[in-house]
Amino acid sequence: DTGVSQNPRHKITKRGQNVTFRCDPISEHNRLYWYRQTLGQGPEFLTYFQNEAQLEKSRLLSDRFSAERPKGSFSTLEIQRTEQGDSAMYLCASTTGSSGNTIYFGEGSWLTVV
Amino acid sequence: GQQVMQIPQYQHVQEGEDFTTYCNSSTTLSNIQWYKQRPGGHPVFLIQLVKSGEVKKQKRLTFQFGEAKKNSSLHITATQTTDVGTYFCAVDSGTYKYIFGTGTRLKVLA
Repeated sequence: DTGVSQNPRHKITKRGQNVTFRCDPISEHNRLYWYRQTLGQGPEFLTYFQNEAQLEKSRLLSDRFSAERPKGSFSTLEIQRTEQGDSAMYLCASTTGSSGNTIYFGEGSWLTVV
Repeated sequence: GQQVMQIPQYQHVQEGEDFTTYCNSSTTLSNIQWYKQRPGGHPVFLIQLVKSGEVKKQKRLTFQFGEAKKNSSLHITATQTTDVGTYFCAVDSGTYKYIFGTGTRLKVLA
């Protein structure tokens, strides 16, 4: 069990560029979450997957944000045409999917849009 | 939509004093989780509460789920400097979509 792995850990990009973050969940964890967190705020739900199926997503993901989990293992979060307001930490979390099981967060990917 | 409020927003205590944070939901919950996030770190799962009126303890931490399953509390007895961080509740209305509260930032003065 190597924990939830996210990369890159830090990304600085120019406004208007596209960025992609990758999350590798704990092996055999079939539920995977993406959250966004800005300084002083709680994590904001973006989307979650049960295996490869994207079960729910916030309205944020209907525009420049998209997430995939093509084989039910790793997941990617892409932000197109980044804006300064996208600067935040993007957190991935995974769990086995059974009720009551611990949800494990990765260390996050910090995005700075300049 | 789901509203989750935590109070207080900030709390400074002297080491050895007790601390309590409260989490309130606008809707009835399926379950609630509590997390701790250290400065510069990521959220770390503490516990999950499922049953109405449930009380769980972890050493100096006591977690309680309200009878109506719309609120919860986290109480720390005799705080230590290692308790510093932000405590979040995360609520689930039954779809496994966890919505996080606004958090309570705890500072412990030695």
